[in-house]
Amino acid sequence: DAMVIQNPRYQVTQFGKPVTLSCSQTLNHNVMYWYQQKSSQAPKLLFHYYDKDFNNEADTPDNFQSRRPNTSFCFLDIRSPGLGDAAMYLCATSSPGAGSYEQYFGPGTRLTVT
Amino acid sequence: GEDVEQSLFLSVREGDSSVINCTYTDSSSTYLYWYKQEPGAGLQLLTYIFSNMDMKQDQRLTVLLNKKDKHLSLRIADTQTGDSAIYFCAESRGNAGNNRKLIWGLGTSLAVNP
Repeated sequence: DAMVIQNPRYQVTQFGKPVTLSCSQTLNHNVMYWYQQKSSQAPKLLFHYYDKDFNNEADTPDNFQSRRPNTSFCFLDIRSPGLGDAAMYLCATSSPGAGSYEQYFGPGTRLTVT
Repeated sequence: GEDVEQSLFLSVREGDSSVINCTYTDSSSTYLYWYKQEPGAGLQLLTYIFSNMDMKQDQRLTVLLNKKDKHLSLRIADTQTGDSAIYFCAESRGNAGNNRKLIWGLGTSLAVNP
C-alpha cells in the first residue's frame, strides 16, 4: 500500500544533542511537509518542500532544518534541541496535481528531550 | 488555528449520531477537510468537500457546508467507541501549487460512552 512512513516512532535525545527524524513516502507526491504538534494543539507547519523548492514558515526557529535528497525522502534536523522542542513531529505529503490539495500523514515521531 | 474554530469537546452515547461543528473565516477557501487523530497517532484524512458543494456523504459520515455562514459540520451516524478521537477541521488556503497550506482548527475531542 502507498504510504507515508516515519522513523523512528519514538526518539529520545538529550538537551542540545542534534537529532534527525526521517520521513519517506511511496505516494510519489511532489510536496512534503513537516509539522510540529504539541499536546492538545493543532499541528503547526514548520516548512515544506515542493519538489526541491524549500518553503520555510516565517516563525519556524533556525534550530529546525530540513533536507530532501530525493522525491521519496525528507529529513527534519533539530540542531540543538531544547526542552520546548519535545513534541510529536508529523510528516505529510500532497500532490497538487490532484487539485484537492489533501495531505496524507505519517504516524508521527514522538520526540522526548531529557 | 485562530481562523478556524471548533468546540473542544463532545460526548455522545454509543449508537447515537455525533455532530462536530467548525467555522472558518476565509471565503476564498476552495476545499475543507476533516481529519481524525487517535491518541499517539498521525492524522487520518476522513473526508473533504469542495466549496461549491453543500453536502457530501461517505458511509457513516456526512459533511454539510454552509458557505454563506462559513460553517462546516461532520455528522457521524451510529457512533462507535472506535470513533473516539480528536477531529480536526482544516481549510485550504493560498495560491495554487507550492503555496497552498492547511489552516487548522484546534480539534474537537469526541468521547463515545458505552
